[in-house]
Amino acid sequence: ETGVTQSPTHLIKTRGQQVTLRCSSQSGHNTVSWYQQALGQGPQFIFQYYREEENGRGNFPPRFSGLQFPNYSSELNVNALELDDSALYLCASSLASGRTYEQYFGPGTRLTVT
Amino acid sequence: GNSVTQMEGPVTLSEEAFLTINCTYTATGYPSLFWYVQYPGEGLQLLLKATKADDKGSNKGFEATYRKETTSFHLEKGSVQVSDSAVYFCALGVSMGSNYKLTFGKGTLLTVNP
Repeated sequence: ETGVTQSPTHLIKTRGQQVTLRCSSQSGHNTVSWYQQALGQGPQFIFQYYREEENGRGNFPPRFSGLQFPNYSSELNVNALELDDSALYLCASSLASGRTYEQYFGPGTRLTVT
Repeated sequence: GNSVTQMEGPVTLSEEAFLTINCTYTATGYPSLFWYVQYPGEGLQLLLKATKADDKGSNKGFEATYRKETTSFHLEKGSVQVSDSAVYFCALGVSMGSNYKLTFGKGTLLTVNP
């Protein structure tokens, strides 16, 4: 069984630029959630995708957007990067089925905005 | 809104000591409760969970009981090892349509010395 993978591992961008982060969900999972983890903090929910549509969003501006593909992989796009966007971005996959709700996390992408 | 408050760290213990990390929550409805662990440089791993009041989650010697009357989910281990050194996150999950959103605490850094 393949776990959740994310790419790239690390990324350095300049303020104002755009970035795309990628996530491959665990085999058999159909839902992907994205979280932002600032240094020394707990993860904050950005949004979730189910059946290729956004299925809930946290308190993040519209410049954070996403996609989910037919194979359930996902992208997180951030436009007009700000210094405060520097964080570890975590992807989690899960299976929307009955009461199954465990979310399995990838290793994350460390984004640094300078 | 939903929130999780957990014991401020860091916590430093000697090997074989008893561990307690306190966690309390505020939520609407009937959340599920989780403990996740994050080892240095890695993503989050699900440690244990409980889905309803009085449930006890357990894994790898760690335990936590869902206490609705005190809105708590304290993590305990009878004898910690050096390999337990990590950051521990308490989280609650609430239904969001067909899936769940996780709300995390800020995390507690545990260091176990030999």
